[in-house]
Amino acid sequence: DARVTQTPRHKVTEMGQEVTMRCQPILGHNTVFWYRQTMMQGLELLAYFRNRAPLDDSGMPKDRFSAEMPDATLATLKIQPSEPRDSAVYFCASGPRGRRRTEAFFGQGTRLTVV
Amino acid sequence: EDKVVQSPLSLVVHEGDTVTLNCSYEVTNFRSLLWYKQEKKAPTFLFMLTSSGIEKKSGRLSSILDKKELFSILNITATQTGDSAVYLCAVGDAGTALIFGKGTTLSVSS
Repeated sequence: DARVTQTPRHKVTEMGQEVTMRCQPILGHNTVFWYRQTMMQGLELLAYFRNRAPLDDSGMPKDRFSAEMPDATLATLKIQPSEPRDSAVYFCASGPRGRRRTEAFFGQGTRLTVV
Repeated sequence: EDKVVQSPLSLVVHEGDTVTLNCSYEVTNFRSLLWYKQEKKAPTFLFMLTSSGIEKKSGRLSSILDKKELFSILNITATQTGDSAVYLCAVGDAGTALIFGKGTTLSVSS
């Protein structure tokens, strides 16, 4: 059963600490997206990669957020230093090659709480 | 600026009712429109629409796209309590990732 796997599922941290979220895309998918979901803003795109190259990270606060794909099976989203306003659910999604590449399959999300 | 607007924001219906959810969009280079259902966790894929006038169906759910008027509707017939969820509309631009609307929260009471 192919699925996107995210870890951790929940994270509570203190303001100022570093947070790293990990994502394993569906095998064979070559597009990876990071979204953040809050009640106020809904789903916002933070960054996305195709064939491991970053294509768009304009939605990400560059001073504290960074996203990487060290290899085709791992994507990471890092926040350093974290702030209470970063509290949200962070979703990773992956997309297949070809004509359906805009389709996104979502992981279960990482619920981040920064206190 | 690309945007996706969904209406209504929320809806409460009784089991057995039929509902229509709306999604309008403005994107520079439209590629596809997708509908997702989100219950407590991750959004799950429902439909992808790329051509006008062709209805996609899955059980009691159906959807259609109008690329001239820039909107899509999602219909759910004979609603059940299990249909209660947030329904998200997203539009794919040719060069970027999906842009999501804020969603419609559907509550189906028994």
